[in-house]
Amino acid sequence: EVVLTQSPGTLSMSPGERATLSCRASQSVSSTYLAWYQQKPGQPPRLLIFGASNRAAGIPDRFSGSGSGTDFTLTISRLEPEDFAVYYCQQYGSSLWTFGQGTKVEIK
Amino acid sequence: QVQLQESGPGLVKPSQTLSLTCTVSGGSISSGGYYCSWIRQRPGKGLEWIGYIYYSGTTYYNPSIESRVIISLDTSKNQFSLELSSVTAADAAVYYCATMPATNYWFFDLWGRGTLVTISS
Repeated sequence: EVVLTQSPGTLSMSPGERATLSCRASQSVSSTYLAWYQQKPGQPPRLLIFGASNRAAGIPDRFSGSGSGTDFTLTISRLEPEDFAVYYCQQYGSSLWTFGQGTKVEIK
Repeated sequence: QVQLQESGPGLVKPSQTLSLTCTVSGGSISSGGYYCSWIRQRPGKGLEWIGYIYYSGTTYYNPSIESRVIISLDTSKNQFSLELSSVTAADAAVYYCATMPATNYWFFDLWGRGTLVTISS
């Protein structure tokens, strides 16, 4: 099973700042199979990025994804008030879908 | 626009079977365009993929709970269902149904709002 470790656990940021979230895999993951989600309290996860760097429909261009192999990054270029939430990475590999434990982006 | 809605008991007794249904609207699960999945989120924990079913009836389950899971399809009602047997307190979670497009990318694009299941006698 591929274990995804996200860091930091919590990111304290101010609106307008740039946020960089990390997702590290226990073994190499195909970029095609790496996705990112945003989850707000009481809501289901919302797809942001698929294929490591492709924005899902309707996702603002301040969200971008990058990375390959075992290291992937989600960047939010300028935090908007609605971006404060928990973010999860997800991978498919070895016939199993797994998620990271999440990074909470909170208002500083 | 495709929408998903989970339904089922919010309280299940230990050792019994948890049964949930996902109703799909705005699209047909028989189209073959996506895989119908169940995912759960236990309190204070992350997300766990449970399994999926395809319109053909093909299923695939997470090996960690495979022995207790059945996912089925009712194309006449445009629904798919989850049965999880022999539940314990560890199965208490918010259960989501979600779709995974039949593409090469393997992500979950649409999610239901989720339903909270408590395990208690």
